[in-house]
Amino acid sequence: DIQMTQSPASLSASLGETVTIECRASEDIYNGLAWYQQKPGKSPQLLIYNANSLHTGVPSRFSGSGSGTQYSLKINSLQSEDVASYFCQQYYNYPNTFGAGTKLELK
Amino acid sequence: EVQLQQSGAELGKPGTSVKLSCKVSGYNIRNTYMHWVNQRPGKGLEWIGRIDPANGNTIYAEKFKSKATLTADTSSNTAYMQLSQLKSDDTAIYFCAMWYYYSGDRFAYWGQGTLVTVSS
Repeated sequence: DIQMTQSPASLSASLGETVTIECRASEDIYNGLAWYQQKPGKSPQLLIYNANSLHTGVPSRFSGSGSGTQYSLKINSLQSEDVASYFCQQYYNYPNTFGAGTKLELK
Repeated sequence: EVQLQQSGAELGKPGTSVKLSCKVSGYNIRNTYMHWVNQRPGKGLEWIGRIDPANGNTIYAEKFKSKATLTADTSSNTAYMQLSQLKSDDTAIYFCAMWYYYSGDRFAYWGQGTLVTVSS
């Protein structure tokens, strides 16, 4: 199985800051990576697919990058509504696997 | 509008089984894979498996091969997951989801989740 190592586990940032979350795959996943946002008590919402493609309706302050085994999610100009947990998901191979998550809070 | 409506919370005793449902509206499940994912209290997401409703083919994560059984009824556009031999460790929220990322009309839709609590 492909292991997804996500960091950091938690993150505290101020409004307007730029934050970056990273995921490292245990083998090449050829950009088969998505990023999700999950707010408490809610279902995950897709932000990014194919490592760097912004899903319809997602604000442009979210962006994804990376290749091979290293991927990142960047949030520019942090807004209060961005407080949530974020998960990466590899779908290059079965079983699909998720990172352990990053909990983003406001400083 | 595509919606995935999951069945209500379940309380199961250790050693018993529960069957969860996920009714899809606005999209024909024959045209997608239905995935199931769990989330233990305060934890991350764990992929359980997926079914191709068009032919019933399934793929499971190794640890769920003897725990979960995925089925689908295309006539009612509903996916199901049965969890057997329940243990306290199975206490979690279980989501059904459908996603397609590769080309054309990409999408990802999730149900609201079903809380399964295992307790005697």
